[in-house]
Amino acid sequence: QLVLTQSPSASASLGASVKLTCTLSSGHSTYAIAWHQQQPEKGPRYLMKLNSDGSHTKGDGIPDRFSGSSSGAERYLTISSLQSEDEADYYCQTWGTGIHKVFGGGTKLTVL
Amino acid sequence: EVQLLESGGGLVQPGGSLRLSCAASGFTFSSYAMSWVRQAPGKGLEWVSGISGSGGSTYYADSLRGRFTISRDNSKNTLYLQMNSLRAEDTAVYYCAKDYGSGSYLEYWGQGTLVTVSS
Repeated sequence: QLVLTQSPSASASLGASVKLTCTLSSGHSTYAIAWHQQQPEKGPRYLMKLNSDGSHTKGDGIPDRFSGSSSGAERYLTISSLQSEDEADYYCQTWGTGIHKVFGGGTKLTVL
Repeated sequence: EVQLLESGGGLVQPGGSLRLSCAASGFTFSSYAMSWVRQAPGKGLEWVSGISGSGGSTYYADSLRGRFTISRDNSKNTLYLQMNSLRAEDTAVYYCAKDYGSGSYLEYWGQGTLVTVSS
């Protein structure tokens, strides 16, 4: 079964960097994923598509501070030079048969 | 600029029905798959349903058990979600989203419409 696992929470200081992790279930380590950001009281926003080789395609207007990387079944989102507006929930998402989508449980990022 | 504008949410009694709409603009609507995603209060994102660009193929989350029907009118650039036999656990913000291509990641999102199922 295709499952994405994320840590429920993360925190980092203003101006620092943070690396969020999304883990693909066994047998699905070659899958691409997408990262989405959801700021408080807002709808989600697409950040990037991240392939198994670490290459990524960012959405419109996404700052260079956001980058992605991959290692095995793990997909990472790194945010550098953290700003207050980066405090948000971050979701990874992948896709299976047909148009079926799977979301991770989300990581709540707190900027200290 | 891609815009997705949901409407049709509101308060409905358990067992009732509701139809959500999503008006799309800024892209060739019929060329792209579309999805509905929901978010219960305080919870994460849950994919609900998806439809191909032509409307000929539809997909649903297993948990819905046939209560929801997705459709689209490409002449009106509008996506729909017909929700029947609504339950309290269907209470959520429902988002319309544009798939990349024929269906992979969600590239653009609407602002959402709130559905509350309560007596």
